[in-house]
Amino acid sequence: DTGVSQNPRHKITKRGQNVTFRCDPISEHNRLYWYRQTLGQGPEFLTYFQNEAQLEKSRLLSDRFSAERPKGSFSTLEIQRTEQGDSAMYLCASSLRASGNTIYFGEGSWLTVV
Amino acid sequence: DQQVKQNSPSLSVQEGRISILNCDYTNSMFDYFLWYKKYPAEGPTFLISISSIKDKNEDGRFTVFLNKSAKHLSLHIVPSQPGDSAVYFCAASPSNFGNEKLTFGTGTRLTIIP
Repeated sequence: DTGVSQNPRHKITKRGQNVTFRCDPISEHNRLYWYRQTLGQGPEFLTYFQNEAQLEKSRLLSDRFSAERPKGSFSTLEIQRTEQGDSAMYLCASSLRASGNTIYFGEGSWLTVV
Repeated sequence: DQQVKQNSPSLSVQEGRISILNCDYTNSMFDYFLWYKKYPAEGPTFLISISSIKDKNEDGRFTVFLNKSAKHLSLHIVPSQPGDSAVYFCAASPSNFGNEKLTFGTGTRLTIIP
């Protein structure tokens, strides 16, 4: 399967703990995105990378959130000191800039903070 | 402020008939529009897109219509099939080639009745 891969698919954590999600984009895609989706809402943009450079961050991305893409391939999204309001599906997506705006999503990582 | 609106949270259509999903947007800077389909616990799957220089784009059973003056787009599915039952998201981007940050609507749940 050559799609966008995310893991873990599900994570249950206690409030205050740190969690990290990993995303492996479609190979040769140089853009990588993180979105968040809560129940009853559409996905909301968090941040994106072109190669290893983080080009934009949403104001939704508080100081407790950090995303990296160290070698321009896979990316990690870390949430420190989790809060119940962080419970959501975290979606990773990738695209090849030359192909326009078609963004391909992974299956998402569900986070439940208890 | 919801810049992309899908005012119908749900829609039921008989199998074989036409499904019409609607989307309105408020931001005049949006230039490129996409439809995604989402099954529960999965990431969104790209369906079809349209650039603002066109008013129609067709791909098999799926057709997207764009009325730029009304800031309205619609997705037509014909004939509707049971496998089309899913949540459909409309998304918009300010550029056809560049910033690919998408703004999503809240989704319409389509149910196809056998």
